[in-house]
Amino acid sequence: KQEVTQIPAALSVPEGENLVLNCSFTDSAIYNLQWFRQDPGKGLTSLLLIQSSQREQTSGRLNASLDKSSGRSTLYIAASQPGDSATYLCAVRPVGSGTASKLTFGTGTRLQVTL
Amino acid sequence: GAVVSQHPSRVICKSGTSVKIECRSLDFQATTMFWYRQFPKQSLMLMATSNEGSKATYEQGVEKDKFLINHASLTLSTLTVTSAHPEDSSFYICSARIVHEQFFGPGTRLTVL
Repeated sequence: KQEVTQIPAALSVPEGENLVLNCSFTDSAIYNLQWFRQDPGKGLTSLLLIQSSQREQTSGRLNASLDKSSGRSTLYIAASQPGDSATYLCAVRPVGSGTASKLTFGTGTRLQVTL
Repeated sequence: GAVVSQHPSRVICKSGTSVKIECRSLDFQATTMFWYRQFPKQSLMLMATSNEGSKATYEQGVEKDKFLINHASLTLSTLTVTSAHPEDSSFYICSARIVHEQFFGPGTRLTVL
């Protein structure tokens, strides 16, 4: 059974800092990995998607890497801003089962960027 | 990215009543949608996978007679919480998949009095 863990569980940084969020998974047979952000009381916003054959993806100040063999992904946020404050979730999709294959979510990292 | 909407965003009902939540994919067709439940400060728990034109596939421990799912078209799936009780109070989120990527609705906050 796939297990996804995110470290740290919570993080507080001053504005402007670069930071790294970690995600690890136990089964490397994944189809892809997605990073999401969730604001309090809201749904999830997809940030980045990395296919299993890819090593990294970038969008603006965000960069996500994937090392499938070691079961790890990182989300790098450059020059953090107060608006980045949210909970960040990683989720892996397994190989197989077609369109019905299910995401397994990590435990989340709650990020607070202070002024 | 693709847009998924949910309605209502918030609902308060009395114990024993039924509540229907709608999930729509606004700019794409989704053959598969997913329904999740989220408790405070916890991650998402998958309840069921909704397939257009066929019966939903429920996760272990989720009562299919209590949480009725209908996926009548490629853009609409509904979740009906029947005979709601206070313990059903939660945040319900739907999701739709396009090829590789999964997109989520804004969620529905259900409070059962």
